[in-house]
Amino acid sequence: EVQLVESGGGFVQPGGSLRLSCAASGFTFSSYWMYWVRQVPGKGLVWVSRINDDGSTTNYADSVAGRFTISRDNARNTLSLQMNSLRAEDTAVYYCTRASGTTGGAFDIWGQGTMVTLSA
Amino acid sequence: DIQMTQSPSTLSASVGDRVTITCRASQSVSTWLAWYQQKPGKAPKLLIYKASSLQSGVPSRFSGSGSGTQFTLTISSLQPDDFATYYCQQYNSDSRTFGQGTKVEIK
Repeated sequence: EVQLVESGGGFVQPGGSLRLSCAASGFTFSSYWMYWVRQVPGKGLVWVSRINDDGSTTNYADSVAGRFTISRDNARNTLSLQMNSLRAEDTAVYYCTRASGTTGGAFDIWGQGTMVTLSA
Repeated sequence: DIQMTQSPSTLSASVGDRVTITCRASQSVSTWLAWYQQKPGKAPKLLIYKASSLQSGVPSRFSGSGSGTQFTLTISSLQPDDFATYYCQQYNSDSRTFGQGTKVEIK
């Protein structure tokens, strides 16, 4: 079964750090660009970051650039998001998702999401 | 960044109704446009890609059209399972921006 499973969410104080992970299974992970998308509960979807198939190219939304780092380990089929200098506005559900070549880049597989809560 | 604007924000409809949701891009995205369905507490699900291509396993009552800056998602006959929030997304640029969402409610 094609699957993405996120982990690492939790409660963290403003200014703190957290590392999210996404375990991929059921497909050739190293062939796909991967993305992180977040959603404040009750609000819309926002693209956060992306990484190409071999990890050599990364991009970030302006709101997280310089604070978040996306990475991947193709040997372990794992995507990561290192989040530093966290702010209250980073509170959200974080989803990892796959960009499908078949669809030209639409997100065809999503994880279940992991909640990050900033709390003083 | 390309801005995506959906209308309406909320839509009240009955089972069997034909429903249309509109998405407008601030600049041309060609046909690099996707539609997703999201239910409460769940991850989004891809319905339509490349503006009009139906994702595998998605019922044929869902259809998409448009190109450039104007797009529509149509549900030909609304079913109980279709009450959800729908998002458009452009993937023409590096930043994959989403619309704000359209909630389809039971009338």
